[in-house]
Amino acid sequence: GQQLNQSPQSMFIQEGEDVSMNCTSSSIFNTWLWYKQDPGEGPVLLIALYKAGELTSNGRLTAQFGITRKDSFLNISASIPSDVGIYFCAGRGAGGTSYGKLTFGQGTILTVHP
Amino acid sequence: DGGITQSPKYLFRKEGQNVTLSCEQNLNHDAMYWYRQDPGQGLRLIYYSQIVNDFQKGDIAEGYSVSREKKESFPLTVTSAQKNPTAFYLCASAGSRGEKLFFGSGTQLSVL
Repeated sequence: GQQLNQSPQSMFIQEGEDVSMNCTSSSIFNTWLWYKQDPGEGPVLLIALYKAGELTSNGRLTAQFGITRKDSFLNISASIPSDVGIYFCAGRGAGGTSYGKLTFGQGTILTVHP
Repeated sequence: DGGITQSPKYLFRKEGQNVTLSCEQNLNHDAMYWYRQDPGQGLRLIYYSQIVNDFQKGDIAEGYSVSREKKESFPLTVTSAQKNPTAFYLCASAGSRGEKLFFGSGTQLSVL
C-alpha cells in the first residue's frame, strides 16, 4: 500500500524561529492535506493542496504541493508557543476506489520554547 | 454549531467485553470514517462508509465492527476479538468530493 514518510519526527525550537517539515510518498498523490493536532483532541485541517506546484498560505503557515506529486512541504514562520502540537501530512492517491481515503504520515511533534 | 461529536471522551473496557464508541455528525456529509491512533504513529483506517447502509473495511478492521443505519451516525464497536484495543479513536466525515476530512475530538479507550 501507499506509504508516507514525514520528517522530522520531532522539533524543539525557540519562539520566533521558522519551522520546516515535509512528507514524501512512494507513489503519486492527487491531494495533500496538512493537519495540526493538540493533545487529546482531533486533528484540525490547516491547508489543502490539489495541484502539483501549488503554494498556499494560511496566516503564518505556507504549504506546497511538490511538482513530482510525491512530496509536500509545510513551513511555519515566526513560531509562537501556541504552535505546539503534532503536525500530520495526509495524501490521497490517484484513481481506484480510494474515495476520501487518506494516507497519513507519522506526524511531527513540535515544541516551542518561549 | 455544525460538527462531529464523539462520545464518550474516555472509555474503559474489561477483558472479554464489547464496547461501542459513538460518532454523530450534523454536517450533512455522506462519508464517515474511523481511525485508530497509537503514540508515535500516524492514523490508521479501521472502517469507512460512503453512504447509508454501506461500509468498507480499512487497513486494520479485524476485531472491530460498524453500522451505518443513519447518515448522521457511524458507531464503532470494539469487540473482544481486538486483543490490543488501547488507543485513541478518531471519527471523521467528508463531503461529496471526499477530499477534506473533518475530525471529531476523539475517544480514548483503555483496558482495565
